[in-house]
Amino acid sequence: GAGVSQSPSNKVTEKGKDVELRCDPISGHTALYWYRQRLGQGLEFLIYFQGNSAPDKSGLPSDRFSAERTGESVSTLTIQRTQQEDSAVYLCASSQFGGPYGTDTQYFGPGTRLTVL
Amino acid sequence: GENVGLHLPTLSVQEGDNSIINCAYSNSASDYFIWYKQESGKGPQFIIDIRSNMDKRQGQRVTVLLNKTVKHLSLQIAATQPGDSAVYFCAENGGSQGNLIFGKGTKLSVKP
Repeated sequence: GAGVSQSPSNKVTEKGKDVELRCDPISGHTALYWYRQRLGQGLEFLIYFQGNSAPDKSGLPSDRFSAERTGESVSTLTIQRTQQEDSAVYLCASSQFGGPYGTDTQYFGPGTRLTVL
Repeated sequence: GENVGLHLPTLSVQEGDNSIINCAYSNSASDYFIWYKQESGKGPQFIIDIRSNMDKRQGQRVTVLLNKTVKHLSLQIAATQPGDSAVYFCAENGGSQGNLIFGKGTKLSVKP
């Protein structure tokens, strides 16, 4: 079956511009996660959606970051007034159930490489 | 805060040799651990997982060992192949929001 897809695969933008990144999770997966990966680093958790529940936004690095999810489908991560330190690969993952200390596998998309000039 | 870390940032092995990648975790409440493989330009790919009620699990050419006493996790790759060259991450399910906590990764290079 289809895996997690993300678009665009690459995005180059100028400092100060807004960007919107899209994630299509695996069909039927209720949990969706956004992570950020800086060059040569591990994955930094950003935000998590569980079903129709309101997400906990405390992991977002600043108020310039926001994310939405429509039901149990597509999610968008928006970065306003981008800064050079926002340059990274933004990864989306989905899992069937999620939840704290969940034991179902998270499957990752290919990521969006964001470069802020 | 508690996080997952790796002992070795890089590992170079000869093709055909066995590889061992180590990981330490510190969140004693974590009860599910995963190894991911990430090739250049791609997202992390699930390799193998293990639950805390087990101390060993085997897959195809890969074995994960869990030592809860010393909070240590390892990934063993048998007969390492050039296609195994990638960055390997261990992760634990100890994130308070249901997120995984990742270490920085170990880069595995396989010499032909």
